[in-house]
Amino acid sequence: NAGVTQTPKFRVLKTGQSMTLLCAQDMNHEYMYWYRQDPGMGLRLIHYSVGEGTTAKGEVPDGYNVSRLKKQNFLLGLESAAPSQTSVYFCASSLDSVTAGGQQFFGPGTRLTVL
Amino acid sequence: GQSLEQPSEVTAVEGAIVQINCTYQTSGFYGLSWYQQHDGGAPTFLSYNALDGLEETGRFSSFLSRSDSYGYLLLQELQMKDSASYFCAVFDQTGANNLFFGTGTRLTVIP
Repeated sequence: NAGVTQTPKFRVLKTGQSMTLLCAQDMNHEYMYWYRQDPGMGLRLIHYSVGEGTTAKGEVPDGYNVSRLKKQNFLLGLESAAPSQTSVYFCASSLDSVTAGGQQFFGPGTRLTVL
Repeated sequence: GQSLEQPSEVTAVEGAIVQINCTYQTSGFYGLSWYQQHDGGAPTFLSYNALDGLEETGRFSSFLSRSDSYGYLLLQELQMKDSASYFCAVFDQTGANNLFFGTGTRLTVIP
């Protein structure tokens, strides 16, 4: 099993450009999440999904959109990138919520720089 | 909302024991998790406490006191490879059972 994979690993954008980050998991997990991690601020939840076809806002959703058309994939889109979106983005998945004991499985991350 | 506090940095000697504390405030507390993250790597799950008491997994143990809104991660027989950042995260039932992370404790193990 590959677990959780993310593409791309690195990306540099200019202000105003758009891009999509792809997350895939092969564990048949229901829940998927997108986080951003900035220095000294820990992980903050951007959007999440509790199943195929569902999405919901997390703590810091502004400037991002997501889609979960297939159970195994969760896409994060930036429509018009801003320097404030320079960060490391992590995707995660979990089997479900309560019985998973809070355990989430994380992908390797995407390091995004917006100039 | 949620808030978590943990020390920003801890230094300990190889072979020693270190305790990383975490205090939290949240309205829909369900459990406390701990994650480890090496520089440049992804967070990896270490432990989870939903009930008061101590959970042991090898060299790592985690403790929770719900009445005190407090938990800690205990690392024994420290090894150099334990140098990493450690995050506590509250598992919150407000909304859709999400994890809210602290800002992390950077542990440096010295020879």
